[in-house]
Order: sequence, then C-alpha cells, then structure tokens
Amino acid sequence: ETGVTQSPTHLIKTRGQQVTLRCSSQSGHNTVSWYQQALGQGPQFIFQYYREEENGRGNFPPRFSGLQFPNYSSELNVNALELDDSALYLCASSGGGGADTQYFGPGTRLTVL
Amino acid sequence: GQQLNQSPQSMFIQEGEDVSMNCTSSSIFNTWLWYKQDPGEGPVLLIALYKAGELTSNGRLTAQFGITRKDSFLNISASIPSDVGIYFCAGQRTSNTGKLIFGQGTTLQVKP
Repeated sequence: ETGVTQSPTHLIKTRGQQVTLRCSSQSGHNTVSWYQQALGQGPQFIFQYYREEENGRGNFPPRFSGLQFPNYSSELNVNALELDDSALYLCASSGGGGADTQYFGPGTRLTVL
Repeated sequence: GQQLNQSPQSMFIQEGEDVSMNCTSSSIFNTWLWYKQDPGEGPVLLIALYKAGELTSNGRLTAQFGITRKDSFLNISASIPSDVGIYFCAGQRTSNTGKLIFGQGTTLQVKP
C-alpha cells in the first residue's frame, strides 16, 4: 500500500462530457503527477503539481487541466471528452517534486462512449 | 509520446525458472526504476537505481543500471506464481518535474 488514493475507481462518460478525477497524496508528500495509461501501453505523463502550482506538462491538449489543494490532494479535469480519452488515469505522489521517487495510486478507469 | 524499448513483450515460463527482461533508450537517464502492475491496480515500485553501473537486489529481484545510462535490466530468480503481472521499466531525468518515461511493459505468466 502506497497511501495514495484515487476516486472514483471506475467512470463511464459520453463523448463531449467533462470529468473530474481525484487523488490524495501520501502523507508528507507535496507533489502529485498524473499519468494516462492506454490499454496495453505504459503510462504517459500528463502534468505535475508541486505546492499548488503546475510544475511541468506532457504532450496533452489544454482540455486536460488540474488543480492541487493546500493539503496537496489533486484533481484532474478533462473537458470535451473524446473516445481516445478512455484509459486508466494514475496519480503518483512524491516528496519534493523534481526527481523524487514517485508512488502510484490504484488508478481511475475512465470509459468514454 | 516517448517510450522506452522494453523486451521481451511477454514471457510464459515454468515455476522455478529465472526471468530476465531489459529496457533500452536512445537518451540518457539519471534514474532507472522497475515497477510491477497487477490487473486493475497501479504500478508498484520494485527497485530504484540511481547510479550508472549500480546493481541492486530486492529479494529474488536484481536490477542493474547500465554503464552507458541508456539501459537497464531486471532479473527474477526462481519464479513463483505470484510473480505474474506486467513489469515496467521507467527512466527519470534530474529535471524540474522528474517525469517518468515508461517502457511498453513485459507481461509475465508463470505456470505452476
């Protein structure tokens, strides 16, 4: 158990809708990174939040956005959902941003119909 | 997006056999990590390597950080049924985010 929790576990949405996924980081960690894992692939970096600020972004469009709260929990928001957004969304928490070791939560399985 | 080259893609072995998998990259990483992912779960960290040439063990698992900093391998000795799962390598640079670049995964099946 990493102490990283995510909600919900599963979610089904239709194309064009918006979704919010949530992540609670491990106690003592102030950095949350989000990854998208398509079926049969390795996770792909979406962005990272460190002390409530975006701290780097992967190759994802602006309709993927996020927030980090004072308790270091985080949200991932996706607008105008597309079929290709169907994936497992993982968050990982780490102690101090940068190259600190990242510990993953169980993920949220998003299906877009 | 960028991914590392991980091989083999899948393995089906007999319980008790040793397993070896590797990961290569065209660019240098400062840290190599190996994760295991079970169905419906997030990746779980197995071994982290921080120095070129480093050889680290975790029980029956041994991993090495390649001298060129462009590759790493993971060995599992005397495999058991609970070793079944998908193994991912990940490279990390000492950068602002330390984002992880993952391989495509090696699916391991163990026959009792």
